[in-house]
Amino acid sequence: DTEVTQTPKHLVMGMTNKKSLKCEQHMGHRAMYWYKQKAKKPPELMFVYSYEKLSINESVPSRFSPECPNSSLLNLHLHALQPEDSALYLCASSQGLAGGLGQPQHFGDGTRLSIL
Amino acid sequence: GDSVTQMEGPVTLSEEAFLTINCTYTATGYPSLFWYVQYPGEGLQLLLKATKADDKGSNKGFEATYRKETTSFHLEKGSVQVSDSAVYFCALSGGYQKVTFGTGTKLQVIP
Repeated sequence: DTEVTQTPKHLVMGMTNKKSLKCEQHMGHRAMYWYKQKAKKPPELMFVYSYEKLSINESVPSRFSPECPNSSLLNLHLHALQPEDSALYLCASSQGLAGGLGQPQHFGDGTRLSIL
Repeated sequence: GDSVTQMEGPVTLSEEAFLTINCTYTATGYPSLFWYVQYPGEGLQLLLKATKADDKGSNKGFEATYRKETTSFHLEKGSVQVSDSAVYFCALSGGYQKVTFGTGTKLQVIP
């Protein structure tokens, strides 16, 4: 069982809809991440939160809006998405910042998003 | 910048065969190295890691040794099972909050 929980598992939305993806971890990790993964590709980093503050935004379009309400929760708010945004969205967490002293990331099972 | 190069797949093996998946990297400094595995319909799971030169990471029969002289971190397993069928990602992190992933290698093990 994964220790990072993502909901929903699947989401279908129209281009004018507003929806949110949710990620939760209870491992006491202080860094949390959003990745986008297209089929047969590696994950692409979107955002990094460190101690509940946004520390990295990889030039992600503003139609994706992250939020970290507390140290256990990470949300990704979606608005006016395009068909090319259809992908698997993965959340991850790590005890420290990724790679620091060999800190691995713990991934959720993702939300499979389809844009009609 | 940092980069990771993995052998292209898919790799198809018979059960109990020996597995090697090659991984080489380019990075400044002394990155940490990781192998992650992704089973169908799931997220990535850490398989093993190594944080300094000559370290050997191992887990579930898989092994990889951090070779600084050849900038490599090849994944090996002596006898694969059908349940090992998955996509394997080599990754590195130089400690700047980012992880650089290789393109992934799909492994298919047939009975």
